[in-house]
Amino acid sequence: EPEVTQTPSHQVTQMGQEVILRCVPISNHLYFYWYRQILGQKVEFLVSFYNNEISEKSEIFDDQFSVERPDGSNFTLKIRSTKLEDSAMYFCASRVRRGGETQYFGPGTRLLVL
Amino acid sequence: AQSVTQPDIHITVSEGASLELRCNYSYGATPYLFWYVQSPGQGLQLLLKYFSGDTLVQGIKGFEAEFKRSQSSFNLRKPSVHWSDAAEYFCAVGGYNTDKLIFGTGTRLQVFP
Repeated sequence: EPEVTQTPSHQVTQMGQEVILRCVPISNHLYFYWYRQILGQKVEFLVSFYNNEISEKSEIFDDQFSVERPDGSNFTLKIRSTKLEDSAMYFCASRVRRGGETQYFGPGTRLLVL
Repeated sequence: AQSVTQPDIHITVSEGASLELRCNYSYGATPYLFWYVQSPGQGLQLLLKYFSGDTLVQGIKGFEAEFKRSQSSFNLRKPSVHWSDAAEYFCAVGGYNTDKLIFGTGTRLQVFP
């Protein structure tokens, strides 16, 4: 069964550094998402991406964040200058279309900012 | 405001006992409802979903959930819990014209042998 994959599984970085989290969505999916889960808290929506542009974003997704689909398979989340509070599990998700279709989640990247 | 409430932070049951995890939602439009499970160190796996039609939906691993519009609830049930069901369970709501899912805070299930 096809699945969403994410790399790396864990990343440790210093505050102020840039990080790029990578995701490979399911191949026939057209809508892509990033969510995050701070330890012990609920999963929160960050951004959705369709047709090479952001379709929806939350208030968390400020100018420090950007997303890109650099080629036909990868979907990336960049944090320009990481802060301590960016430490979280970041989940990528994808789905075929909007509406009632299921979002399929990847295993996540655990980011630790020191 | 759109929100999902999972009133039980932590539930402990014995293996073989029945289980019900509660979920209440607040959503302005027709809701699409989901239950996801997260095992330690793992991602989110879809257990089941409700879009329309029959309000009792069956999912994987023997789980089912019932949508009750009058109570704004979508409780998850399993008749007999297995030790491998120990995990965190998240209820989520979405809609037709939005991309995002809104998650509850989760319920951690512990299963004793």
